[in-house]
Amino acid sequence: DQQVKQNSPSLSVQEGRISILNCDYTNSMFDYFLWYKKYPAEGPTFLISISSIKDKNEDGRFTVFLNKSAKHLSLHIVPSQPGDSAVYFCAALRSVNYGGSQGNLIFGKGTKLSVKP
Amino acid sequence: DGGITQSPKYLFRKEGQNVTLSCEQNLNHDAMYWYRQDPGQGLRLIYYSQIVNDFQKGDIAEGYSVSREKKESFPLTVTSAQKNPTAFYLCASSNRVSNQPQHFGDGTRLSIL
Repeated sequence: DQQVKQNSPSLSVQEGRISILNCDYTNSMFDYFLWYKKYPAEGPTFLISISSIKDKNEDGRFTVFLNKSAKHLSLHIVPSQPGDSAVYFCAALRSVNYGGSQGNLIFGKGTKLSVKP
Repeated sequence: DGGITQSPKYLFRKEGQNVTLSCEQNLNHDAMYWYRQDPGQGLRLIYYSQIVNDFQKGDIAEGYSVSREKKESFPLTVTSAQKNPTAFYLCASSNRVSNQPQHFGDGTRLSIL
């Protein structure tokens, strides 16, 4: 049973437009959410995160929105650039009480973003 | 430069053989993780270690083993008991402070001959 779902396997956007990547989760105990970007044959790179006490976090062209009541988060990229073309993974965790260390990440299956010039 | 090094990048194994994937980090992170990625799938946790000499099973630990004798190193052994070992394996590390993002290596692609 998938706890983190990215229902769109792919998304195609024109350069300069907005890209919106969506993610849904089922476990209400998740309290921290992350987005990773991954190029082929490379490891994922951390992009942006949001704590459950917030509903928005912004970093340059990237903004993540969290709707806790709907158990939904989205990543907005504005404006989209060809170099943004990659697979984007949504991940969630429930902080565990283990000497203050991070809990385990649960990943979605990813959405492949293609930004066309 | 600080980072996570996985070696080799490509690895081939004959059926019935054990093989060990290397993961080294110089980020001074306490926690380290191993994930497996299959085509069209997300990352699934195999094993993780929060401190030296301690590790825990993840969601798909069967057929794998790990050790954590040093803070910098977290090798993964894919044993002959793993029935479908062909995959892309990713190692990650993080600080023990809550909500610090995991940093990933560039992965090892394992194929069965």
